[in-house]
Amino acid sequence: GAVVSQHPSRVICKSGTSVKIECRSLDFQATTMFWYRQFPKQSLMLMATSNEGSKATYEQGVEKDKFLINHASLTLSTLTVTSAHPEDSSFYICSARPPGTPYNEQFFGPGTRLTVL
Amino acid sequence: AQSVTQLGSHVSVSEGALVLLRCNYSSSVPPYLFWYVQYPNQGLQLLLKYTTGATLVKGINGFEAEFKKSETSFHLTKPSAHMSDAAEYFCAVNTGNQFYFGTGTSLTVIP
Repeated sequence: GAVVSQHPSRVICKSGTSVKIECRSLDFQATTMFWYRQFPKQSLMLMATSNEGSKATYEQGVEKDKFLINHASLTLSTLTVTSAHPEDSSFYICSARPPGTPYNEQFFGPGTRLTVL
Repeated sequence: AQSVTQLGSHVSVSEGALVLLRCNYSSSVPPYLFWYVQYPNQGLQLLLKYTTGATLVKGINGFEAEFKKSETSFHLTKPSAHMSDAAEYFCAVNTGNQFYFGTGTSLTVIP
């Protein structure tokens, strides 16, 4: 089946630093990947749609200069949290949809827990 | 516009009892409906989905859900709860390329 991985699974950083999170589709090529953010005890909120070879599409209220998304290949999308602050601490989850998948099913990565001190 | 409402942010059941997690949706187009389970500090795992055809869908771990168009509902059930079912459950609607998630229901199973 379709497998999506994320790296790292956990990261702790100091305030003001930048953190890169990788999302990989392991056994399929994904022209589109999605980045979600989940605060404790809350649902997933779509942050942006990552498109291979073009700019990401950000949801309203998401700062594109703070959350940099790069989709350089058909199997890799990266999310960089720039100048991280404690309020950026969250669980970040990516997903991808294999091409030709019916019903728009997405496969989710295991998530990355970001803690900003 | 699409939205998902999960009634009850916390549900507690005794081991062996019926599990019922409620989900109602609104959608301007025929939706695809999903239930996901999330264990602590993990990603989402697909339990089951409704796309077309039979309105009663069976998923993994003994869960099933019924799509009721007239009620715009997609409630999740399991006849007999197991301790390992304790987790967070999310209902989701997909129309086109975007998923809309409910706020989640935390299931506690009491031994």
